[in-house]
Amino acid sequence: KAGVTQTPRYLIKTRGQQVTLSCSPISGHRSVSWYQQTPGQGLQFLFEYFSETQRNKGNFPGRFSGRQFSNSRSEMNVSTLELGDSALYLCASSPSKTSGGSGQETQYFGPGTRLLVL
Amino acid sequence: KNEVEQSPQNLTAQEGEFITINCSYSVGISALHWLQQHPGGGIVSLFMLSSGKKKHGRLIATINIQEKHSSLHITASHPRDSAVYICAVPREGGAQKLVFGQGTRLTINP
Repeated sequence: KAGVTQTPRYLIKTRGQQVTLSCSPISGHRSVSWYQQTPGQGLQFLFEYFSETQRNKGNFPGRFSGRQFSNSRSEMNVSTLELGDSALYLCASSPSKTSGGSGQETQYFGPGTRLLVL
Repeated sequence: KNEVEQSPQNLTAQEGEFITINCSYSVGISALHWLQQHPGGGIVSLFMLSSGKKKHGRLIATINIQEKHSSLHITASHPRDSAVYICAVPREGGAQKLVFGQGTRLTINP
């Protein structure tokens, strides 16, 4: 099976612009989670999607949004970019066979998208 | 105080040494994850455990639920084990809503 893929891998934007990142999960996986990693804050949970619905959300401003399509592919969008949004954005998928989640699921991570905001 | 604390933050050792990385957490959990991140950013899930001990090759992970503590051990360490090791626990309300430790940067010298 192919692993989790993310596009693009690298991106440079300027303040005020918006950006859309894409994540294709492992075939058959229904849950996609997004994480932000910065040197100062480390890894932080952004949100999780399951069956096209946002199931969980982290503590990020409304400028960060996402969606999931019927084929489980997911996109995240950041509007009005700020310098502090420069980060590695990782997505991870898991099988998640039930809508409630098992509490014990291995996460399969993609390679990440490195975003630089100038 | 962070919900997930790792120690040490940095660890340098010689090839062949036995390595231990510790993780303490303050929240109730259903499972704890150990992750490995190589330079370049890619993250690999090493273990997910909710009790006892798991072993995969030279890597061993243990957890003590009562003491809210987990350890990751590497036997016969090798330079290719050099990476950042991160523990993570699910926050209440979501299996995938992980809270991460700050990571332990491990360097194994030949």
